Amino acid sequence: EIVMTQSPATLSVSPGERATLSCRASQSVSSNLAWYQQRPGQAPRLLIYGASTRATGIPARFSGSRSGTEFTLTISSLQSEDFAVYYCQQYNNWPPGGTFGQGTKVEIK
Amino acid sequence: EVQLVQSGAEVKKPGATVKISCKVSGYTFTDYYMHWVQQAPGKGLEWMGLVDPEDGKTMYAEKFQGRVSITADTSRDTAYMELSSLRSEDTAVYYCATGLSMGSWFDPWGQGTLVTVSS
Repeated sequence: EIVMTQSPATLSVSPGERATLSCRASQSVSSNLAWYQQRPGQAPRLLIYGASTRATGIPARFSGSRSGTEFTLTISSLQSEDFAVYYCQQYNNWPPGGTFGQGTKVEIK
Repeated sequence: EVQLVQSGAEVKKPGATVKISCKVSGYTFTDYYMHWVQQAPGKGLEWMGLVDPEDGKTMYAEKFQGRVSITADTSRDTAYMELSSLRSEDTAVYYCATGLSMGSWFDPWGQGTLVTVSS
C-alpha cells in the first residue's frame, strides 16, 4: 500500500501570508492526487484533483503542483476561513479509494 | 445542487451492528460510485469501501473486510454502510462521498455520522 506523508504536521501562518504544504508518496502515483480542506466539525471539501486542477468554486489562491512523487499545495494569501486541516489523497493505486496523508493543520500565528 | 445527506448519530454497544444511510439528490445516483470513509476522533481519513449503484458491485478495504457491507437502493437513491461486531475502536465519524470511479477523488461528501461504541 502506498504511504502518503504530509509535512509539516502543523503550520503556523499569519493572515495574508503564503502557506506551503507538502505531501510525498512512497512510490509513483502519477498525477492522481487530490487535496482536501477540513474545517472543525465539518466534512472534508475537495480543493484540488489531478495534482493541480482546482475543483469547482475553489478560489484561485489555492494551487497545486507536482514534482515526481512530491506534491505541494500552496495558499497564496491566507484568509481567516483557510485555517483548517488539509489532507492529500492518492487514488492511483490499491486500495480503490486510495490512501490519505495524516494531515497538516494550518493555524493562526 | 448535489447533496449527500446522512442519517443521524448512533450509540451502540460492543458487538452490535450499525447501519448508516446516505441519501443522494441533485444527480443520477447510478452515474457515480459511492465510497465510505472513516475518521476516528482526532485522527485522519481512512477509506472503507465502495459500491457501484449501477450493478451493486462492492469493494472493501482489507481492514474492514468481513465486518462491513455497503449497499445501494436505487429506488430510494440511497446508499448504506453496515458495520458489524462493533468495538470501541470503531467510534468514529463515517462519511459517504461520491467518486467518478473506483480510483477517484471524492466530491461531494456527506455531512458525516458519528457512531459511538460504548458499554
